[in-house]
Amino acid sequence: QSALTQPPSVSGSPGQSVTISCTGTSGDVGTYNRVSWYQQPPGTAPKLMIYGVSYRPSGVPDRFSGSKSGNTASLTISGLQAEDEADYYCASYTSTNTVVFGGGTKLTVL
Amino acid sequence: QVQLQESGPGLVKPSGTLSLICTVSGDSITNSNWWGWIRQPPGGGLEWIGYIYHTGSTYCKPSLKSRVTMSVDTSKNQFSLKLSSVTALDTAVYYCARNYGGNSYFDYWGQGSLVTVSS
Repeated sequence: QSALTQPPSVSGSPGQSVTISCTGTSGDVGTYNRVSWYQQPPGTAPKLMIYGVSYRPSGVPDRFSGSKSGNTASLTISGLQAEDEADYYCASYTSTNTVVFGGGTKLTVL
Repeated sequence: QVQLQESGPGLVKPSGTLSLICTVSGDSITNSNWWGWIRQPPGGGLEWIGYIYHTGSTYCKPSLKSRVTMSVDTSKNQFSLKLSSVTALDTAVYYCARNYGGNSYFDYWGQGSLVTVSS
């Protein structure tokens, strides 16, 4: 059960858009629409931002959107704000009834 | 509002057993949700440990399965984690979280409990 692959870091200026990728396999991301994304500012617990590939929980700004193509899921943040600076993690259900997380991506707002 | 709170010793000796309890408020542990454990080593990423249903059914990360025991106490609205034969590699912040409807995403998290393995 290998971790999903995410870029270690991404950055963008306020107002810009950034996309974070999350690559898995046919045994997880590629087969199941059970991809979720979490935001974790330093020293805090993770917060659910996207579930079911592209659904936003109540209270999450519509600047956050999710998508999937093949074995790769993506989180796009448009209209970047300073408060978006955090670590972001993807997760997926797998064919063995388990959950696997990505290694995490540090988002820097320049 | 659903809230989860981890509790347990912050220091465990090598080869000992790590024990944590998660107390749930604002939701009944017998509702149609699974209840999970996730950990994060210092400076590292999130690692799924496993989750449990109120009936006692569990799923666990294969590499940890031989050392993990999860249980539920419905009378106290709590669930627990035991990890045996710990080493320094098990040092981490341990989070409990609600897996909504068994859909494999975690919508409510505890604040986390740092457990250090050291003699």
